[in-house]
Order: sequence, then C-alpha cells, then structure tokens
Amino acid sequence: GAGVSQSPRYKVAKRGQDVALRCDPISGHVSLFWYQQALGQGPEFLTYFQNEAQLDKSGLPSDRFFAERPEGSVSTLKIQRTQQEDSAVYLCASSLGGESYNEQFFGPGTRLTVL
Amino acid sequence: TQLLEQSPQFLSIQEGENLTVYCNSSSVFSSLQWYRQEPGEGPVLLVTVVTGGEVKKLKRLTFQFGDARKDSSLHITAAQPGDTGLYLCADIIQGAQKLVFGQGTRLTINP
Repeated sequence: GAGVSQSPRYKVAKRGQDVALRCDPISGHVSLFWYQQALGQGPEFLTYFQNEAQLDKSGLPSDRFFAERPEGSVSTLKIQRTQQEDSAVYLCASSLGGESYNEQFFGPGTRLTVL
Repeated sequence: TQLLEQSPQFLSIQEGENLTVYCNSSSVFSSLQWYRQEPGEGPVLLVTVVTGGEVKKLKRLTFQFGDARKDSSLHITAAQPGDTGLYLCADIIQGAQKLVFGQGTRLTINP
C-alpha cells in the first residue's frame, strides 16, 4: 500500500511510562503532521514538519510531548511520563508540501490508552 | 481562536432517508473541507469549498457553503449503510498549513 502507515495501532501504557509512536508518510511527501483525537472529538493539531524541520509545535500540550523527523521521512511522537489525559487516538498525516496548501492524507492512527 | 460547531452531534436514521448536517464557524472560513472518518481509520477528504455560495455534488452528497463563508451544510440523499461514519468539517489555516476541525457528527444508517 502507498498510504500513510502508523505503528503500533494500539498501545496500552501504565501511567508514568514513556511511549513512542511511529509514522511512515507517503513516499515523497515533504510535510508531516501529528494530530490528537480524543474520544468523541475531532482531531486537534499537535505539530508540523517540513522535511526534517519542525516548523510548528504550537499544539503540543506539554513539554512531555516531543516529536522528531531526523531524516525528513519517518517521524516519531514521544510522550514521556504518560498521564490518563493523554489517552486518545494519535493521527499522522502527510502532504506534498510547498508554499500553498496541499491535501493531507491521514494514517489509521495509534490508539493510546493510559491506565 | 476559531471554533467550529457541528450539529447534530449524533444522528441515526433508516436506510433510504435524507439528512442534512451543519458546520458553523466563529469566524470566516479560509477554505472549508468535509471529511468522513470510519472506525479505526483516519479522516478521508470528501470535498473542499472555497467560494461563498458554492455548491458541490459528490454522487448522493451535496455540499453547500454559505454566502458569508461562515457556515456549511452536507446533505445526503437516500442514505445507505455505507454512509455510516463520523463527518468532520475543517478549516485550512493558510500559511500555517494546519487544519482546525469541528467535533464531528456521528451518523448511523440502519438497514
């Protein structure tokens, strides 16, 4: 498949544990986005990369959240010392990038449950 | 901060019926998008509307953008079980590249 893939699809963590969520964007897509979707809500923006540069991290809810894309392709969202309020679906999206807006294609998400 | 309100929050109807769902913004939309999200999947783009008063059709789905570009509606004719899902509206934040979403309308079509 040529779509956005995410792993793991499901993650259960005990409160206080660190987790790492992976996103493989569509090949050749320059821009990569992370969104958080709480139960019964729409997605909320977390952060945005253009190639390896993190251009916007205004949506990250606390300094426990960290994202990286070191080689401009795969990205990892890391959450340190997880809390129950971190339980949500984390969606990754990628797009062709460029100065004007291009369609974002979403992955299936990682469902994180913090006990 | 822009707020997108979608109504109704939940809608359950029988196969074959028509329905309309709504999206209202606290400020003028830059460009409005409608998505459908099925359980366990990411949102999939249905349509983008840019011009006030614009109407777009996608098979049995009709999308209307308000003249003042602060509201939109999605009308489904003769709903089918395959239309079941979470319908999300979103605004494209120009320059910032990101999307701002409403909370969604969860639609269930019963056979």
